[in-house]
Amino acid sequence: GENVEQHPSTLSVQEGDSAVIKCTYSDSASNYFPWYKQELGKRPQLIIDIRSNVGEKKDQRIAVTLNKTAKHFSLHITETQPEDSAVYFCAAPTTGNQFYFGTGTSLTVIP
Amino acid sequence: ETGVTQTPRHLVMGMTNKKSLKCEQHLGHNAMYWYKQSAKKPLELMFVYNFKEQTENNSVPSRFSPECPNSSHLFLHLHTLQPEDSALYLCASSQGWGQETQYFGPGTRLLVL
Repeated sequence: GENVEQHPSTLSVQEGDSAVIKCTYSDSASNYFPWYKQELGKRPQLIIDIRSNVGEKKDQRIAVTLNKTAKHFSLHITETQPEDSAVYFCAAPTTGNQFYFGTGTSLTVIP
Repeated sequence: ETGVTQTPRHLVMGMTNKKSLKCEQHLGHNAMYWYKQSAKKPLELMFVYNFKEQTENNSVPSRFSPECPNSSHLFLHLHTLQPEDSALYLCASSQGWGQETQYFGPGTRLLVL
């Protein structure tokens, strides 16, 4: 099955700085890579995703890059704000729509 | 926020109790999922249903029993649980059975005493 590794597990940045979270996966059949944000006590919510036919996707302050050859993808948040503080999860699906999630990164943005 | 709903939001049960968790999706999706979220561990997929048919059962103990009467409703029946089963149980749905977005419900926080 798929093996998804996510780093770092915790990340603290000053407000306005950038944050980068990286994930690696093992199943070459994976071709869809979502990122979820989970605030304390709330559900995971999709913030951005990318398919394997593109190398980068951007949505305002959030971007995701994908290196399919190396089997890794990264979340980039620029100009961080306190409301970006949350746990972020990457995922890679394998056969069918069985998602394997990373262990999560707890991001703290310090005002 | 109301696309996928779950009830109850919190549940405390003894090890000899029987209870059920309910999930309902209002998105017209065809696939539904149960996940377990424990502290310090990744989200664990438990069950997958596609067009009401169970397609995945990730070695989940038989004390967890899923039921999917139609594409909009999913249940998780619980009996003789153990304290280590205490966790957040999340339901999700997706449009189809491919590599695509899953939308999560708010979860049921379960405590087994």
